[in-house]
Amino acid sequence: AQTVTQSQPEMSVQEAETVTLSCTYDTSESDYYLFWYKQPPSRQMILVIRQEAYKQQNATENRFSVNFQKAAKSFSLKISDSQLGDAAMYFCAYRSFRDDKIIFGKGTRLHILP
Amino acid sequence: DAGITQSPRYKITETGRQVTLMCHQTWSHSYMFWYRQDLGHGLRLIYYSAAADITDKGEVPDGYVVSRSKTENFPLTLESATRSQTSVYFCASNFGTTRSDTQYFGPGTRLTVL
Repeated sequence: AQTVTQSQPEMSVQEAETVTLSCTYDTSESDYYLFWYKQPPSRQMILVIRQEAYKQQNATENRFSVNFQKAAKSFSLKISDSQLGDAAMYFCAYRSFRDDKIIFGKGTRLHILP
Repeated sequence: DAGITQSPRYKITETGRQVTLMCHQTWSHSYMFWYRQDLGHGLRLIYYSAAADITDKGEVPDGYVVSRSKTENFPLTLESATRSQTSVYFCASNFGTTRSDTQYFGPGTRLTVL
């Protein structure tokens, strides 16, 4: 069975600085999708970024980018120029090509220090 | 407005009572999902549905029942609520036509079982 591990329960970063959130996963599959979701205090789950495993190029979305290391099964999220609105819980997630279920990590709570 | 809605947003009930959480989406998405979110566990899949009248178990289905008589609705029923079912419940949906589909989440329902 696939697993997703986020080893940092909490992190803090100074406003305007860069922070990297870690995620590792375990799978025997070669094709899959990886996601980062953001959950602000409103509890809404918001998709931040998505990566297809068959693509070598790392996904980017404005200030958000990933470092996808397929062989190492690592999928970290980098947030550049951190803003107060980035404060939230961030979840790493894995989705198999074989079914439609998503497996979530336990989350990393990110604090932005003004 | 189009989107995915959940009701009620907050619910307090007593042990042994039956509770139904509602989920409604206006996108005609084929796939719908129910998750529960607990501290230290992230999101865990309870049940999902690939289409009307098709449902399947997720990671933690015990104590829950779902139905999908209409594409747009996916109610989750706790037949006899227990304290361990106190949680925040999220409904999600996506088209399911490709594996890259993004899951869209509802705002969540906070359920407390006394």
